[in-house]
Parts: sequence; structure tokens; C-alpha cells
Amino acid sequence: QSVLTQSPSVSGAPGQRVIISCTGGSSNMGADYSVHWYQQLPGGAPRLLIYNNNIRASGVPDRFSASKSGTAASLDITGLQPEDEADYYCQSYDIEVSGSVFGGGTKVTVL
Amino acid sequence: QLQLLESGPTVVRPSETLYLTCSLSGGSIRRNYWGWVRRPPGKGLEWIGYRFNSGDGKGNPSLANRVSISLDTSKNQFSLSLYSVTTADTAFYYCAALDAGYYVTWGRGITVTVSS
Repeated sequence: QSVLTQSPSVSGAPGQRVIISCTGGSSNMGADYSVHWYQQLPGGAPRLLIYNNNIRASGVPDRFSASKSGTAASLDITGLQPEDEADYYCQSYDIEVSGSVFGGGTKVTVL
Repeated sequence: QLQLLESGPTVVRPSETLYLTCSLSGGSIRRNYWGWVRRPPGKGLEWIGYRFNSGDGKGNPSLANRVSISLDTSKNQFSLSLYSVTTADTAFYYCAALDAGYYVTWGRGITVTVSS
């Protein structure tokens, strides 16, 4: 059971928009800790996508955006591309574990 | 550009110690802080621990004090020791460089199987 909760899967056709949600609690996102997002392509290592709630990492296309409000965060992919098919993880800091916590991951399927 | 590469045994016997090394190129171990994350089969990412270049470190409490992370400045690498492994420790292991709480750069990962 992950500390941060993500929906297991989401799908969309090329060009469509998908939104991935991430829900935390009072010991992490609710304590005003930032949320970060990672993309893991099939067979690949995770890659930083978004950091500090809404800042795109170097080289990340602007079709990726994210936001955070209280204990909820979301990653928005507009103009979905076949190469976006991957697992996406949210991550934050948690004061109860004094370290990182991850969401369970959301599998994005491009139809 | 910083690159990380994990190395170590890919099979470890139950109750033994898993030992992995992460070698840096294109950057110095004296900067940032350094961590390990794993992904068990069919599951999501799990934080293992991290170590600051100042010497302080922290391991995931769920791993019950079985984690140790050390830095070797002379070799520009850092290492993970996970003691008393069980089959539940079978996973893909990643080393990473952190900055202000997020994982900036990741190694390609190494698969470790715990099996007799």
C-alpha cells in the first residue's frame, strides 16, 4: 500500500488529454511538501518529468504540466503521443518516514 | 552530464547481504546527495534510503534498519548494503542523485534476485 494514491491506469487516443491524479495526506503533501513526477518507459529507468509541483525538467515537452493543491496533485498530458505510453509516479517527502514516498504508479496506455 | 551506473551481484541468497555500487561519471560525489530506489516485480517504486555528502543518512523505516549507504570519495561512487535479505527484496534497484528532495538523475538499474 503506497503512501501516495494514484489510479492504476488511464488511457487515451493520440492527441487526446489525460490527467493522472495523486492523493496524499497531512504528513506529506498536506504539510506543504512539493510533489515531483517521474516517467518510466517500458524497460527503462525512471526519468524526472516535473519537480517542485509544476516545473518541467530539462528536455520535457510542454504537453506535460502539473499542479498541486493541498493533498491533491495532478499530471496533465495534452496532445497524447504514442511515446507517452509509460508508467508515471508521483513522489513527495513524508515527515513520518523522514524520507521519500512514492505513489503506486499509473500506467498510461495510448490507444 | 552526470551519469550513474549500478553494479553488483544479480543473485543473492536468503539471509545474506545485498551489496550494490553506483559509479559516477561526469560529476562529483561531493555534490548533491545520493539515494537508492527499487521496484519489485509487479509493483511500484519504493524508496530505500539516501545519504548526504555531509555524512548523514536515512533509510526507509519499512526496511527495519537493514539499510546502510556509504560514500567513497576516492572512487567517486556510493554503495548500498541491504542486510538479511529475503525473497521480498527481489527487485530492480536504481541509484540516483537527489536535489532538494527529488531524484534528478537515475542509473539504468540492476535486477537482483534473492534465491537459494
